[in-house]
Amino acid sequence: NAGVMQNPRHLVRRRGQEARLRCSPMKGHSHVYWYRQLPEEGLKFMVYLQKENIIDESGMPKERFSAEFPKEGPSILRIQQVVRGDSAAYFCASSPRGQSFTDTQYFGPGTRLTVL
Amino acid sequence: TQLLEQSPQFLSIQEGENLTVYCNSSSVFSSLQWYRQEPGEGPVLLVTVVTGGEVKKLKRLTFQFGDARKDSSLHITAAQPGDTGLYLCAGEGGGSNYKLTFGKGTLLTVNP
Repeated sequence: NAGVMQNPRHLVRRRGQEARLRCSPMKGHSHVYWYRQLPEEGLKFMVYLQKENIIDESGMPKERFSAEFPKEGPSILRIQQVVRGDSAAYFCASSPRGQSFTDTQYFGPGTRLTVL
Repeated sequence: TQLLEQSPQFLSIQEGENLTVYCNSSSVFSSLQWYRQEPGEGPVLLVTVVTGGEVKKLKRLTFQFGDARKDSSLHITAAQPGDTGLYLCAGEGGGSNYKLTFGKGTLLTVNP
């Protein structure tokens, strides 16, 4: 059973460009979570999605960031007009059930975004 | 806002030594998880503790959840170079049972 997959693993963008990060959850998982890990900081929750629904986006910056999890295909985290402060590792996690403290989140390998 | 403080931030020891790392908060968590993260990879779950006072063992690793469910510790016996990595604690709670709050981690280096 393949784990959570993220691509690309490394992404370099110039200021003002768009970054699109993809996450394919584990087979059978319909709950996806995005976290951001800034240098010298812990992972911070960004958004929780189920298929075609955003459940909680309280950790997402209000501007330039958006996320989706369509009926078919991977979840996408999109960052428009990137700035240097967006440079970070972005991790996706998936779980089978959601809404339960016994529901383990399995993390992908992350996408390292560097903004020049 | 819930915060998790991990200590020490860095730990370098010799193979065979014992160590304990700590995860503390002023908030109550419904569960607490420990992860290990290797460079360039995502966190890998080691254990979940749910009940106050709970102790779980995973080979040479012993995890304890505080009675008040505000703190936790990870003890490693006879550390090996393969234990090297970033150890993260993450709590679940605060009205949400899916939003994990992470500490900044303890970077452990075990020297041969």
